[in-house]
Amino acid sequence: GENVEQHPSTLSVQEGDSAVIKCTYSDSASNYFPWYKQELGKRPQLIIDIRSNVGEKKDQRIAVTLNKTAKHFSLHITETQPEDSAVYFCAATNFGNEKLTFGTGTRLTIIP
Amino acid sequence: EPEVTQTPSHQVTQMGQEVILRCVPISNHLYFYWYRQILGQKVEFLVSFYNNEISEKSEIFDDQFSVERPDGSNFTLKIRSTKLEDSAMYFCASSGDSEQYFGPGTRLTVT
Repeated sequence: GENVEQHPSTLSVQEGDSAVIKCTYSDSASNYFPWYKQELGKRPQLIIDIRSNVGEKKDQRIAVTLNKTAKHFSLHITETQPEDSAVYFCAATNFGNEKLTFGTGTRLTIIP
Repeated sequence: EPEVTQTPSHQVTQMGQEVILRCVPISNHLYFYWYRQILGQKVEFLVSFYNNEISEKSEIFDDQFSVERPDGSNFTLKIRSTKLEDSAMYFCASSGDSEQYFGPGTRLTVT
C-alpha cells in the first residue's frame, strides 16, 4: 500500500519568512495530493491540493509543487503570519475517491 | 458553505461497551469515510463507503467495527465492544469529486 513520509516534524519560522514542508510517497499510482491544516482540537481543513497532471499550483500565499518522477511534493507558504501556526498534513491517494494516506504531520510555529 | 457535522463531540465510555458515532455528510456527496487520529499522531483511514456498501477498509477496521447509512442523511460508525486502545478522535469525511471534507470529530475516551 501507499506510504507517505513527511519532513520536518516541527518547523519554526519568523513571521514574514517562508516555510517549506516536504512529503514523499511510494505508490506511483497515486495521482491526487491534498494538504490539510489542523489547528489544535479542530478538524483537518483542506487548504490546497494538486493532481498529477500539473507540476505546481498556487493560491495566494500557498503553493504546492509535485515531482512525479521523484515521487515528492512540497507545500510552500510565503509571508507567514501567526495564524499559519498549526499542524500541516500531506496526503496521497489514487484519484477516484480512494482513501487518503496521510503523512505524519508538521507542527509549524510562526514566531512574531 | 455546507459542512460535515458529527455528534457527539465527546463520548466517554467504559471498556466493553458499544458506542455509535454519528455523522451527517455534505448533502450532495456520495462517498463517505471514517478516519481516526490517536492524540498527537497522524490521521489513519478506517473505512470508505459508497452506494450503500463498504468500498475499502483498513486492517484497523476489524469485526468490532461496522458502518451504516440508516437514512438519507446520517452515516454511523459503531464500535461493538470498546477497548482502551480505541480512545482517539474519530473523523467522518465526505466527498463528491476528489476533495474530502472532514467533520469536527468525536473524541472517544474509553476508560
